Amino acid sequence: GAVVSQHPSRVICKSGTSVKIECRSLDFQATTMFWYRQFPKQSLMLMATSNEGSKATYEQGVEKDKFLINHASLTLSTLTVTSAHPEDSSFYICSASRGLNSGNTIYFGEGSWLTVV
Amino acid sequence: AQKITQTQPGMFVQEKEAVTLDCTYDTSDPSYGLFWYKQPSSGEMIFLIYQGSYDQQNATEGRYSLNFQKARKSANLVISASQLGDSAMYFCAMREETGNQFYFGTGTSLTVIP
Repeated sequence: GAVVSQHPSRVICKSGTSVKIECRSLDFQATTMFWYRQFPKQSLMLMATSNEGSKATYEQGVEKDKFLINHASLTLSTLTVTSAHPEDSSFYICSASRGLNSGNTIYFGEGSWLTVV
Repeated sequence: AQKITQTQPGMFVQEKEAVTLDCTYDTSDPSYGLFWYKQPSSGEMIFLIYQGSYDQQNATEGRYSLNFQKARKSANLVISASQLGDSAMYFCAMREETGNQFYFGTGTSLTVIP
């Protein structure tokens, strides 16, 4: 069964509004979660690394004020797309690792399809 | 430089045949992990197989095996007895011991032909 759950799986929002996507680790504590964006038929692009209890680390070129990440607990990280625009429409996927060791498998959520109209 | 390189954007294989998906990586870290994920059209990422840099033997998981050639820095995925359900995007990924980041290749789109 899924060890990382992401919600919602699909969301449509109006341009200018904000939308929140949740990522939960179901049976383990994830001190670190990752948020990715994927354009059609392209690789995953790391947006930010979410650390529990501290500020997220954003990749170069990712607007931290637009993509707000909150990692309030060891099992939950949220991504909020603020003032969404049609160009923000994409597939967003989170992942979590049981630990920091290179051998720890990273599990992915089911992903969220965001459409901004 | 690219950390993970997948040179095959698309591959076709006949049902029940074996197929190899190529992956090369670049790291100076002595300790790292290599992963393969399958992404069907639904978008979810499904973990397939893992190979540690210090593992002596090639990893195997059912019909999946990883051809790990450390000196050549390659970690090819071999799928035996292909099934129609294997049609999907396949991503090679690496995680270094020193960092927390996960590096992905650009993916290979596999189509299994009946």
